[in-house]
Amino acid sequence: NAGVTQTPKFRVLKTGQSMTLLCAQDMNHEYMYWYRQDPGMGLRLIHYSVGEGTTAKGEVPDGYNVSRLKKQNFLLGLESAAPSQTSVYFCASIVGPMNTEAFFGQGTRLTVV
Amino acid sequence: GDSVTQMEGPVTLSEEAFLTINCTYTATGYPSLFWYVQYPGEGLQLLLKATKADDKGSNKGFEATYRKETTSFHLEKGSVQVSDSAVYFCALSDRINDYKLSFGAGTTVTVRA
Repeated sequence: NAGVTQTPKFRVLKTGQSMTLLCAQDMNHEYMYWYRQDPGMGLRLIHYSVGEGTTAKGEVPDGYNVSRLKKQNFLLGLESAAPSQTSVYFCASIVGPMNTEAFFGQGTRLTVV
Repeated sequence: GDSVTQMEGPVTLSEEAFLTINCTYTATGYPSLFWYVQYPGEGLQLLLKATKADDKGSNKGFEATYRKETTSFHLEKGSVQVSDSAVYFCALSDRINDYKLSFGAGTTVTVRA
């Protein structure tokens, strides 16, 4: 059982380049979330989805877009990367209201130069 | 909005010492409370949780009690091991916020043999 899988695990981008981070879960979870982790700031929510075809903004959505075309996948896009987007990105999913334990991916370390 | 404040680190302990990490929260509804742990190079994983006032979560020798009167969820372990070295995050989520997790800044714990 793979759980939550993020690809890629590492990436270096030049300022202005674009990329997509993929999150895939095989647990049939309804809710999925993208967080970024920065030193001394905990994890901050970027965007999230409460089901297939839905997305919503989190705490720090600027510069990011997301899509949830399939229930098992949640994509995070950076259209024009900036150095301020250098961070570790984590995807998480939960079953739903009956069980709110979040399962996290291993993270993607992104550096924008 | 919802927020979590936890004890700043880093915390360095000797093996078999007592560990406590303070966590307080602010929430408008009736949140569930969590402690997540992050080992080096890994994603976050659930350590324990409590879903209502006076509930005690416990796992791997760690305990935390949901105290509504003091809005606290302090983490404790009576005798730490080197393998407990990690970053610990206090977090909350609530149905009215689509179960989005609000995290504290994290506390780095190092246990020395």
